[in-house]
Amino acid sequence: AQTVTQSQPEMSVQEAETVTLSCTYDTSESNYYLFWYKQPPSRQMILVIRQEAYKQQNATENRFSVNFQKAAKSFSLKISDSQLGDTAMYFCAFMKPGNQFYFGTGTSLTVIP
Amino acid sequence: KAGVTQTPRYLIKTRGQQVTLSCSPISGHRSVSWYQQTPGQGLQFLFEYFSETQRNKGNFPGRFSGRQFSNSRSEMNVSTLELGDSALYLCASRAGEQETQYFGPGTRLLVL
Repeated sequence: AQTVTQSQPEMSVQEAETVTLSCTYDTSESNYYLFWYKQPPSRQMILVIRQEAYKQQNATENRFSVNFQKAAKSFSLKISDSQLGDTAMYFCAFMKPGNQFYFGTGTSLTVIP
Repeated sequence: KAGVTQTPRYLIKTRGQQVTLSCSPISGHRSVSWYQQTPGQGLQFLFEYFSETQRNKGNFPGRFSGRQFSNSRSEMNVSTLELGDSALYLCASRAGEQETQYFGPGTRLLVL
């Protein structure tokens, strides 16, 4: 089974600052996908960003970007210009095609005004 | 397109009862997965159905079962409810094996 580790249970950041959330995973697969999901206090889980393992270029979605280090099996999420609406639980996830998603335990991020 | 919908949104049951939760995936999505989310255990995978067949299964007792219909709608059933089954149950759908999973709002189950 694959494992996904998020070593930061809680983090905080000042509004407009930048924060990086860490994620590591363990797999022997070469073809897989990585995701960051956001779950605001209202509980609807939302996709933040997706990365295909075969792509060397790091994915970017507006203020959200990833640092994907395949050899190190690391997949961190950087949030730039943090906003109050970024306050949420963030989950890192791993998926091998045809297989289930594996989620980390989550990082609770609080943006401080 | 409409998102993933789940019914009911809230449910209160007593120990020993059974419960059925429903999930309607995004139109065109053939895969539906179910998760149990609790503060202590995080997000735990229950099972995934694809084209009416269970494709992947998590490590839950047989009291937890599911099925998927020909229109891709899915139901999850929990029999002989225990206090520890109190949780947020999330459903997620995806179009195919390499596709992103999209989540519904969840059903919050409270077992008294």
